[in-house]
Amino acid sequence: TQLLEQSPQFLSIQEGENLTVYCNSSSVFSSLQWYRQEPGEGPVLLVTVVTGGEVKKLKRLTFQFGDARKDSSLHITAAQPGDTGLYLCAGILSGYSTLTFGKGTMLLVSP
Amino acid sequence: KAGVTQTPRYLIKTRGQQVTLSCSPISGHRSVSWYQQTPGQGLQFLFEYFSETQRNKGNFPGRFSGRQFSNSRSEMNVSTLELGDSALYLCASSFEREQYNEQFFGPGTRLTVL
Repeated sequence: TQLLEQSPQFLSIQEGENLTVYCNSSSVFSSLQWYRQEPGEGPVLLVTVVTGGEVKKLKRLTFQFGDARKDSSLHITAAQPGDTGLYLCAGILSGYSTLTFGKGTMLLVSP
Repeated sequence: KAGVTQTPRYLIKTRGQQVTLSCSPISGHRSVSWYQQTPGQGLQFLFEYFSETQRNKGNFPGRFSGRQFSNSRSEMNVSTLELGDSALYLCASSFEREQYNEQFFGPGTRLTVL
């Protein structure tokens, strides 16, 4: 059973479109992180959210942590080809210290 | 500041062999974690080392082992390789006492078992 479910698994869009990817769980997380991984590279941390209901913005990316700290979303406005990559969410379960990763959403943005 | 480095980047082995992968963390980072990434299972946690001691361990068989040296560099070893061990092995380092365990990943070692 996957603790963190990400959807969609794959997303192919045109440059300029908006999109949202989701990270859901039945468990409560003390904090949650989003990473982006490009081909041939390791994941790179984008953001950490820790408070239920928290919203963080990073240029055209908006991250939200659910009120109950069981889910999160990543919204990208006006996607660009440079946004192409595997987006991974990872959380720390309450009472634990290790990260649990979702399987990721593969995003392809075409010019 | 230099990032996390991993060697080798690519490795081809045959079933039954063993392999050792190396990781050098970011300078000043004392925690090193190892992950296995496959298309089917995603990123799975192998183990974490801190100050030369294994602090956490994932759900992998004993064929997977690791160690950390006094300079925080880490190695992981896989013995008696199986076809299913083919994967990208990622090393990540993080700050000591970092509350959210934010990981800084290396580029990975792509292991192919034939």
